[in-house]
Amino acid sequence: EDQVTQSPEALRLQEGESSSLNCSYTVSGLRGLFWYRQDPGKGPEFLFTLYSAGEEKEKERLKATLTKKESFLHITAPKPEDSATYLCAVQDPHRNQFYFGTGTSLTVIP
Amino acid sequence: ETGVTQSPTHLIKTRGQQVTLRCSSQSGHNTVSWYQQALGQGPQFIFQYYREEENGRGNFPPRFSGLQFPNYSSELNVNALELDDSALYLCASSLGGQLNTEAFFGQGTRLTVV
Repeated sequence: EDQVTQSPEALRLQEGESSSLNCSYTVSGLRGLFWYRQDPGKGPEFLFTLYSAGEEKEKERLKATLTKKESFLHITAPKPEDSATYLCAVQDPHRNQFYFGTGTSLTVIP
Repeated sequence: ETGVTQSPTHLIKTRGQQVTLRCSSQSGHNTVSWYQQALGQGPQFIFQYYREEENGRGNFPPRFSGLQFPNYSSELNVNALELDDSALYLCASSLGGQLNTEAFFGQGTRLTVV
């Protein structure tokens, strides 16, 4: 079964229009939830790691939050340069595997 | 720039052939992991090496194998290539051998199997 599910698959926003991306996970004993940004044809770029429910981290216009079963990536007043695919990933400590979601493709229109 | 470099950037191989992809880790990082990313999908974890030993593996057959060298550079070898092996192959380096530390990715190798 899918360990990580991201929604929506694609999101189009007007510049300045804030929104949130969702990442839900099913692994138990979470040891870290990761957010990455990926531009076309490039490797993922690390954004945040969250380790426990209630934790929040911010970077420029991005804020990541974590609950027991999901994480949100909030984008405040986005700019066109924020357009990218945003990926989340979790570790399954029981199988020593690492799972990525399929990502949310964000387009910010000027 | 993450300091993680992969070579080659693009590669075309024929079904049934073997391929070796290379990764140079970020300075000071002793852990490398490899991922396969098909078009429109998230990266799929292949395996991870820590201090030259495999310490985690995803659901990939044995024809996917790897090596990590004393300088922490790494290779991914794929034998008996299949058409479905066409993908972007990513390596990522990190520190400490655990999967729950942030990893820094290279730009990837685009493999096309024909």
